[in-house]
Amino acid sequence: GAGVSQSPSNKVTEKGKDVELRCDPISGHTALYWYRQSLGQGLEFLIYFQGNSAPDKSGLPSDRFSAERTGGSVSTLTIQRTQQEDSAVYLCASNRARGSNIQYFGAGTRLSVL
Amino acid sequence: SQQGEEDPQALSIQEGENATMNCSYKTSINNLQWYRQNSGRGLVHLILIRSNEREKHSGRLRVTLDTSKKSSSLLITASRAADTASYFCATERSGGSNYKLTFGKGTLLTVNP
Repeated sequence: GAGVSQSPSNKVTEKGKDVELRCDPISGHTALYWYRQSLGQGLEFLIYFQGNSAPDKSGLPSDRFSAERTGGSVSTLTIQRTQQEDSAVYLCASNRARGSNIQYFGAGTRLSVL
Repeated sequence: SQQGEEDPQALSIQEGENATMNCSYKTSINNLQWYRQNSGRGLVHLILIRSNEREKHSGRLRVTLDTSKKSSSLLITASRAADTASYFCATERSGGSNYKLTFGKGTLLTVNP
């Protein structure tokens, strides 16, 4: 596609429910990133995928968070047993993983946990 | 403190004025980038400056980098209402995982018409 696509754009859920957030990167981009942005804050790195290499999961805040990337393209970020502190905007970015590390971002998913 | 901290946190100016935002960081870097984020949107890359560069221009944007002070500034000249957004610096640390960027908390710029 022309840009990074994320869905849904907004998600409201109840505490304790599981949610899945989807990211469709730019075609041909082998690297994919997930970030979390809390209100008025910068971006917190969550996880990085590059091709068939093992992902860098060092930013995942707890074992309730997981992500996968199927076929080297679409990625899903899953949050199990959501808590109110999980409320944030979840941003996905991609790039070619060659040369300069300029990242291309989706519009994000705004997650609200009630 | 986190790598990549911008100041001021918020800046309000009139259309036509210049806006200057600063970023400080703590470790050696390969490069530093500036991104813009409009309300409710993702980040958009503006400009990248490498560690061996001191100044770079792109349209109305001017970026400087002082590696001895571990700081960078972003100047937007002749600002427009459409420049209203949050601006983030992001650093790529040298000697580490060079795919990672560390973002600051951003400067919220408001340009009043």
